[in-house]
Amino acid sequence: DVKVTQSSRYLVKRTGEKVFLECVQDMDHENMFWYRQDPGLGLRLIYFSYDVKMKEKGDIPEGYSVSREKKERFSLILESASTNQTSMYLCASRRGAGELFFGEGSRLTVL
Amino acid sequence: GDSVTQMEGPVTLSEEAFLTINCTYTATGYPSLFWYVQYPGEGLQLLLKATKADDKGSNKGFEATYRKETTSFHLEKGSVQVSDSAVYFCALRTGNQFYFGTGTSLTVIP
Repeated sequence: DVKVTQSSRYLVKRTGEKVFLECVQDMDHENMFWYRQDPGLGLRLIYFSYDVKMKEKGDIPEGYSVSREKKERFSLILESASTNQTSMYLCASRRGAGELFFGEGSRLTVL
Repeated sequence: GDSVTQMEGPVTLSEEAFLTINCTYTATGYPSLFWYVQYPGEGLQLLLKATKADDKGSNKGFEATYRKETTSFHLEKGSVQVSDSAVYFCALRTGNQFYFGTGTSLTVIP
């Protein structure tokens, strides 16, 4: 069974803290994605990666960075968390032009 | 640019009622169309898809037909169950990009 695993389901951080969100997939997919989900706004793409060490900005990359050192792992980094980054973060992966497979999400609250 | 517009919710239905969630799209080229479902506390799961005009995607009693002439991909189910309560997202893929609608929350009451 395909699996995308996000390391933390719920996080609470303080303004200015550095936050790491980890995502691992076991399907050998070359493409990985980070979205944020907010009520009334749907899913918005933050960053994506087509291959190891490669990254592309999505629609809302400001305030975020990513790291993909291994094919199965894609990390989202908030260098200095702010309250407007309180959100649900969803990781997804995909092989070629196929469907997206999502993790269960990481709900981040920044105080 | 490419985009998806879906009907706003929330939608509340009684068990065994008929469901329609409207979805229209704007895209250049020939997109693939998807419906994803998000159950409470979970990530999104693919519900069904269609890759070309007039294709019908179906799964778990849900159906949607890719209508190029009306640029639509409406989701339907003939008889909803309490277990169908979830948020439903319409999406399109062009090239390597996915575009999602804002989601429609469905609650089915016994």
